[in-house]
Amino acid sequence: KQEVTQIPAALSVPEGENLVLNCSFTDSAIYNLQWFRQDPGKGLTSLLLIQSSQREQTSGRLNASLDKSSGRSTLYIAASQPGDSATYLCATFGRGSTLGRLYFGRGTQLTVWP
Amino acid sequence: DAGVIQSPRHEVTEMGQEVTLRCKPISGHNSLFWYRQTMMRGLELLIYFNNNVPIDDSGMPEDRFSAKMPNASFSTLKIQPSEPRDSAVYFCASSVSIGEQYFGPGTRLTVT
Repeated sequence: KQEVTQIPAALSVPEGENLVLNCSFTDSAIYNLQWFRQDPGKGLTSLLLIQSSQREQTSGRLNASLDKSSGRSTLYIAASQPGDSATYLCATFGRGSTLGRLYFGRGTQLTVWP
Repeated sequence: DAGVIQSPRHEVTEMGQEVTLRCKPISGHNSLFWYRQTMMRGLELLIYFNNNVPIDDSGMPEDRFSAKMPNASFSTLKIQPSEPRDSAVYFCASSVSIGEQYFGPGTRLTVT
């Protein structure tokens, strides 16, 4: 079964810092990988989807990379702002018999203070 | 565009009662997913449908849980009878085939 790990579990930084959130997975035979943010008491908001043939995706101040061979993905947040405070989750898509399933990490809880 | 719609947003019920959670996926999406989120176990997939057909229900914890998708715009997750350990946030998500998934706001279920 796919295991997804996110490090660190929590991160607290001052506004303006550039951040790297890490995601690792045990089975490199994934289909796609998706990053989400979750605000307290809310649902998940999709940030970026990296398809299996891609190495990275960018949206505004966010950049996500994917290295399937090493089982890693990173989410880079440039010039962090207090509004970025949330929990960030990565999820891998299964392949073959598990196609359609998302396997989630436990998330990185980010706090950006002014 | 309306996103994924879930109802109710909050549900408090007593042990042994039947609970029905509802979901309306994004129009045009043909895959629908039910997840459960708890502090202990994080986010877990319960079941997913493709073109209204259940594809993988291996995450459904036991026979007390059932899910249906009678048409492309509606799905239900039913718990009967409910137990305190079912207390969690239940999310519905939809996508176009095996693509980017979009989540609803969730239903916070408390079973006393």
